[in-house]
Amino acid sequence: EDKVVQSPLSLVVHEGDTVTLNCSYEVTNFRSLLWYKQEKKAPTFLFMLTSSGIEKKSGRLSSILDKKELFSILNITATQTGDSAVYLCAVEYSSGNTPLVFGKGTRLSVIA
Amino acid sequence: DAGVTQSPTHLIKTRGQQVTLRCSPKSGHDTVSWYQQALGQGPQFIFQYYEEEERQRGNFPDRFSGHQFPNYSSELNVNALLLGDSALYLCASSLGYGNQPQHFGDGTRLSIL
Repeated sequence: EDKVVQSPLSLVVHEGDTVTLNCSYEVTNFRSLLWYKQEKKAPTFLFMLTSSGIEKKSGRLSSILDKKELFSILNITATQTGDSAVYLCAVEYSSGNTPLVFGKGTRLSVIA
Repeated sequence: DAGVTQSPTHLIKTRGQQVTLRCSPKSGHDTVSWYQQALGQGPQFIFQYYEEEERQRGNFPDRFSGHQFPNYSSELNVNALLLGDSALYLCASSLGYGNQPQHFGDGTRLSIL
């Protein structure tokens, strides 16, 4: 059973649209949730969330965590073609044998 | 400020061979983790090194082994390569054991024929 589930798996939008990407996770021993953007190679770090209800923002990107309902969302407003990438959600659990458990990712394609 | 660097960029091997991948962590980082990313999947954790010791290990067979050197750089070794080992191998570094976020390198694309 997957511990971290992302949806949708892929998404095609037009430039200027707003998108919401979802990540749900298991509650056991949750420590933090991280979002990464992966274009061609290296996943690049976007946000790290540990507290519920506190929005993190960087330019047109924002993210929030809901520890009661066990999910996080990543919002991108006024999308641009440069936002096209795979967005990965990863959860850090305080026990177990792996520091980060990744979801399968959401592939976002922004077309002009 | 040098980020995480990995070598080589691409590698082609045949079944049964052995391979060594290399990683230099981001400047100032002392913890290195290795991940395997198959096509269309998220990265899967292989193992993590801190103070030259393997600290955590994911669900990978003993064919996968590693090493960390005193300068914090690391190697990933895979023996008896299988077709299923074809993947992007990512190295990530962080400051201090158990700390996030991890910063990733561009990876080594390994193809097994």
